[in-house]
Amino acid sequence: DIVMTQSPLSLPVTPGEPASISCKSSQSLLDSVGDNYLDWYLQKPGQSPQLLIYLGSNRASGVPDRFSGSGSGTDFTLKISRVEAEDVGVYYCMEALERPYSFGQGTKLEIK
Amino acid sequence: QVQLVESGGGVVQPGGSLRLSCAASGFTLNTYAIHWVRQAPGKGLEWVAVISFDGSSKFYADSVKGRFTFSRDTSKNTLHLQMNSLRTEDTAVYYCARGRYYDLLTGYYLGLDYWGQGTLVTVSS
Repeated sequence: DIVMTQSPLSLPVTPGEPASISCKSSQSLLDSVGDNYLDWYLQKPGQSPQLLIYLGSNRASGVPDRFSGSGSGTDFTLKISRVEAEDVGVYYCMEALERPYSFGQGTKLEIK
Repeated sequence: QVQLVESGGGVVQPGGSLRLSCAASGFTLNTYAIHWVRQAPGKGLEWVAVISFDGSSKFYADSVKGRFTFSRDTSKNTLHLQMNSLRTEDTAVYYCARGRYYDLLTGYYLGLDYWGQGTLVTVSS
């Protein structure tokens, strides 16, 4: 099974400042046609998870453009250009290349 | 409007059974794969299982294999997850989520784009 490792696990950020979360997979998530099967999800306090980024770098519908995903193979990054108060919650990466799919441990973003 | 609504959670003793339901609206189940993801209290997300758009393929995490089983009621656009031989470690909020879209047998992956509100399963004596 593929193992997903996120860092940091806790991320205090000042509003207006950028933030970055790393996600590394134990195997390449690049498929034969060049897509990276890596998603990013945000779970806000008391809510269900919501999709932010799919296939490594594609923003889901309605996601603000301050969120961006990058990376390929085994190393991926989620960046928030300017953190807002509504961005607090736990961020998870998930590999969707091989079943069983697996999530990272989660990164808790909090406002300083 | 796309919506997924889970139901069927509750309190059950170890070794008991529960059947969770995931009712879909705004789309038809026979065009999308559906996943179950769970979250133990205070813990992270754990992927549990997936059923293909046509129900022909089902895959389960090792932690639930042989104990959990999918079924579908296409007339009600509803998916069920039968959970048997429940263990205390199965205690979690269970979410269903929409996955890969299929058009003329070609699948398009757009992430797990819609999630239900979750239903709590508590396994305790």
